[in-house]
Amino acid sequence: ELKVEQNPLFLSMQEGKNYTIYCNYSTTSDRLYWYRQDPGKSLESLFVLLSNGAVKQEGRLMASLDTKARLSTLHITAAVHDLSATYFCAVNYGGSQGNLIFGKGTKLSVKP
Amino acid sequence: NAGVTQTPKFQVLKTGQSMTLQCAQDMNHNSMYWYRQDPGMGLRLIYYSASEGTTDKGEVPNGYNVSRLNKREFSLRLESAAPSQTSVYFCASSTGLNSPLHFGNGTRLTVT
Repeated sequence: ELKVEQNPLFLSMQEGKNYTIYCNYSTTSDRLYWYRQDPGKSLESLFVLLSNGAVKQEGRLMASLDTKARLSTLHITAAVHDLSATYFCAVNYGGSQGNLIFGKGTKLSVKP
Repeated sequence: NAGVTQTPKFQVLKTGQSMTLQCAQDMNHNSMYWYRQDPGMGLRLIYYSASEGTTDKGEVPNGYNVSRLNKREFSLRLESAAPSQTSVYFCASSTGLNSPLHFGNGTRLTVT
């Protein structure tokens, strides 16, 4: 059974600082997704990572995937308040659309 | 461009009552999903439909049934609601494995 662990689960940071959210998973996979959820809202897709070494960037967020280490990172550069949200990674295994497991989420709070 | 539309947005049921959550997408996606989100649990897959005419169980299917009415619509039915089914329910759709999920705005269900 695939386990997906995110850490930290809660992150309070100051504007302008850098930080990294980690997503570890327990079974071989080459499909990993990052989503953002604002309080009381739906989930929005941020990145789709489909191969070892994949790196994608959008604004102050950069995601990477190391399938050998079974690890994805979401790096935040020079955080701003607008990035405050909960971030989820989700990992697919076995090539079935039913096998998509979400992490528990990292609640990020960026303070001035 | 509506995307994924869920109805209702809020619902309160008494234990033992039944109801159907409706979901429709206008993006011509093949795959549709139902998730539930509980505090501290991330998202868990209830049922999914990889294509029109097929449905499969996810991680937590007990107490639920689904119908893929056509390519656009995927409904979730609770036959006899229980307090443990109090949750936020999200419908999602995608073109396939290598594509992200597009989520609806969610249905907040309370069972008393």
